[in-house]
Amino acid sequence: DSGVTQTPKHLITATGQRVTLRCSPRSGDLSVYWYQQSLDQGLQFLIQYYNGEERAKGNILERFSAQQFPDLHSELNLSSLELGDSALYFCASSVFAANSPLHFGNGTRLTVT
Amino acid sequence: ILNVEQSPQSLHVQEGDSTNFTCSFPSSNFYALHWYRWETAKSPEALFVMTLNGDEKKKGRISATLNTKEGYSYLYIKGSQPEDSATYLCAFKSGAGSYQLTFGKGTKLSVIP
Repeated sequence: DSGVTQTPKHLITATGQRVTLRCSPRSGDLSVYWYQQSLDQGLQFLIQYYNGEERAKGNILERFSAQQFPDLHSELNLSSLELGDSALYFCASSVFAANSPLHFGNGTRLTVT
Repeated sequence: ILNVEQSPQSLHVQEGDSTNFTCSFPSSNFYALHWYRWETAKSPEALFVMTLNGDEKKKGRISATLNTKEGYSYLYIKGSQPEDSATYLCAFKSGAGSYQLTFGKGTKLSVIP
């Protein structure tokens, strides 16, 4: 058990809808990362937060947004969903030292129908 | 866009064989190189974080080396066991500004009993 909690585990929704994925980092970790894994793709970096502030942004679509709250949990909001957004979304956390390992949650499997 | 390449894409070995695979990354602005192990239906788990050229890390039968000047890292598994079957991911962090950790697509190892 990595100590990182992601909810929900599975999500099935229709095109055009909006969903929120939630992540609670490991106790003591200040940094949260979001990654997307689509079919045949590696882990694609979306965004990173440290202690409530955005620190790095990857190829995150404008329809997607995220935030990290004062209690350090994070939410990833996906709106105007398309079929191509179906993927496994991972949250990971780390102590913010650039050479500290990431601890991954079990992921949220999003299916857009 | 940072290019992190892993080879081979997949590998089948017999139980007891030793094996190795490669991660290639940009040789400029190096900060850190991570290795993760990702078993089916689980989340990625950190193996090593390497930061110094020439660094060598070991964990049981798994070891890794790092060459930052030429931009590659090798992961070695000695005496492969069926439980080593997993996808092995490397991830690169540049020292040039961004906190982004970029993953390769992984090497899928299958160990045949």
